[in-house]
Amino acid sequence: EVQLVESGGGLVQPGGSLRLSCAASGFTVSGNYMSWVRQAPGKGLECVSILYSAGTTYYADFVKGRFAVSRDNSKNMLYLQMNSLRAEDTAVYYCARESYHHSSGYYPDYWGQGTLVTVSS
Amino acid sequence: DIQMTQSPSSLSASVGDRVTITCRASQSISSSLNWYQHKLGKAPKLLIYGASSLQNGVPSRFSGSGSGTHFTLTISSLQPEDFATYYCQQSYNTPGTFGHGTKVEIK
Repeated sequence: EVQLVESGGGLVQPGGSLRLSCAASGFTVSGNYMSWVRQAPGKGLECVSILYSAGTTYYADFVKGRFAVSRDNSKNMLYLQMNSLRAEDTAVYYCARESYHHSSGYYPDYWGQGTLVTVSS
Repeated sequence: DIQMTQSPSSLSASVGDRVTITCRASQSISSSLNWYQHKLGKAPKLLIYGASSLQNGVPSRFSGSGSGTHFTLTISSLQPEDFATYYCQQSYNTPGTFGHGTKVEIK
């Protein structure tokens, strides 16, 4: 059974750092595209970062240069290192596995329950 | 980025009602459209991918249609467990972008 469990969220001051973790089971992180998606209070879902199976990455413009996605193949874990945090980064962060179908390209098929990040002084 | 516009933003319906949610893309996305159900505090759940393919384990009362820029999600007979927020997402290009959601509430 595919499962994703995020952890590492919490309260951090503006300018601070936080590392989110995503524990995966039922599949291998290294063999799949993996993404981080966030939802700010009262807002919609937005893609933050993607880690492709080849190791290349995508970052949304609003986190580029501040966030870094990585994985630990031995632990089957996905991470999101978040630096220089801003109030507008306050959101629930979800990790998701991306699946492929010829009719739809790559899309998130399994998600975790999310971890809340609050950036406030 | 491709903009996704969902309507309505919320609706009230009764158990047994037929419900339709619409999603429009700012440019043609072929059939690269997915639908998700999200309940507060839970993981979003994939319902439909490729505009009309039902994800394994999803009840057949959910169906999707459309191509190009206009898509719909239909729930043929609303059940108590279907009260949630529904999002469309385009996976035509990166980043995949989401609609702002449709909250389905109990009438």
